[in-house]
Amino acid sequence: EPEVTQTPSHQVTQMGQEVILRCVPISNHLYFYWYRQILGQKVEFLVSFYNNEISEKSEIFDDQFSVERPDGSNFTLKIRSTKLEDSAMYFCASSLDRGSYGYTFGSGTRLTVV
Amino acid sequence: QKEVEQNSGPLSVPEGAIASLNCTYSDRGSQSFFWYRQYSGKSPELIMFIYSNGDKEDGRFTAQLNKASQYVSLLIRDSQPSDSATYLCARSPGRFGAGTRLTVKP
Repeated sequence: EPEVTQTPSHQVTQMGQEVILRCVPISNHLYFYWYRQILGQKVEFLVSFYNNEISEKSEIFDDQFSVERPDGSNFTLKIRSTKLEDSAMYFCASSLDRGSYGYTFGSGTRLTVV
Repeated sequence: QKEVEQNSGPLSVPEGAIASLNCTYSDRGSQSFFWYRQYSGKSPELIMFIYSNGDKEDGRFTAQLNKASQYVSLLIRDSQPSDSATYLCARSPGRFGAGTRLTVKP
């Protein structure tokens, strides 16, 4: 069964450093998403991406964050100047359409900012 | 304003019982609704989606949608210990409730 692949599974970084989280969505999917889940809290929407541009973003997705689809397969989330409160599990997801039938999630990247 | 609200639980049921999970939403424009299951430390896994008023059944799972009352529910029949997880209600596009933790006791 097709799956969404995320790398790395765990990333430790120092406060103030930049990190890039990588995702390979399902190949025929057209919509891509990033979510964040702080330990013990709810899954929070960050951003959706379609046709090489951001289609929607939440108030969490400020200037510290950016997304990119650098080639035909990868979808990345960059966090500039990480803060302690950025420590969370970051999930990438993709969908064939705008999510009418739900999303397929990757296994996540656990980001720890120290 | 919370968009999707769930009883955080925890909810505990004995093996073989029916587990009932509930969710309300505030955006009347929401079209589709989803139930995801999330095991501890894992990513959400889609169980069911529903977009029409009424019931939708898939195996031991039944989703119910009432758009007039802005209410979505999930029933799990013949609950098994392997059903123990956090169940997330979500609406399209991608807004999740806080989840309800379900424990099925053998």
